[in-house]
Amino acid sequence: SSELTQDPAVSVALGQTVRITCQGDSLRNYYAGWLQQKPGQAPVLVMYGRNNRPSGIPDRFSGSSSGNTASLTITGAQAEDEADYYCHSRDSSGYHLLFAGGTKLTVL
Amino acid sequence: EVQLVESGGGLVQPGGSLRLSCAASGFTFSGYWMHWVRQVPGKGLVWVSRIDSDGSSTTYGDSVRGRFTISRDNAKNTLYLQMNSLRVEDTAVYYCGRDRYDSVDYWGQGTLVAVSS
Repeated sequence: SSELTQDPAVSVALGQTVRITCQGDSLRNYYAGWLQQKPGQAPVLVMYGRNNRPSGIPDRFSGSSSGNTASLTITGAQAEDEADYYCHSRDSSGYHLLFAGGTKLTVL
Repeated sequence: EVQLVESGGGLVQPGGSLRLSCAASGFTFSGYWMHWVRQVPGKGLVWVSRIDSDGSSTTYGDSVRGRFTISRDNAKNTLYLQMNSLRVEDTAVYYCGRDRYDSVDYWGQGTLVAVSS
């Protein structure tokens, strides 16, 4: 398969932990990158590789991967974490990118 | 500071052409693959095209192959997307992005392309 799939929507209570998952065959060979996008803004990379946060990303964000599934976990979700989250990775050729459909995270 | 600034978007009729530019600064542009990604407002991200660091290798998504051409000028630190035979369904915000860590690690602010008669 050359697709990545995510749940369309997830909600979490303020201060609680939420996991967003992404599935696809390409994840057996490539790590997922996770993007956060708020309304009217460009995407921002929040996680890459095995479990790496770009500079400036809070440590409440963490990542993991097993088999064909990658996960982004937010421990102690904050109101400002409400956003769309997209996973992406290379496809099997290594020359194309795949994007999942995105997960809308609501912080209650 | 890494910066990517897109330009060239606008309103064009179906069948028309447009060239997008992405000016890069704050990093060694010639050392990185680059991508174009588009997003219909309210919808998800869709990969459009990739170019390697010296421009010798390019790849395209199925929906734009044969109509769009990605290129770069490393002397000008600029990435381009030539879009021909535009269709209504090409209407989207177009982002350029830098490839690193098997991800797109930096994104421009996007430029809106609207294809309509």
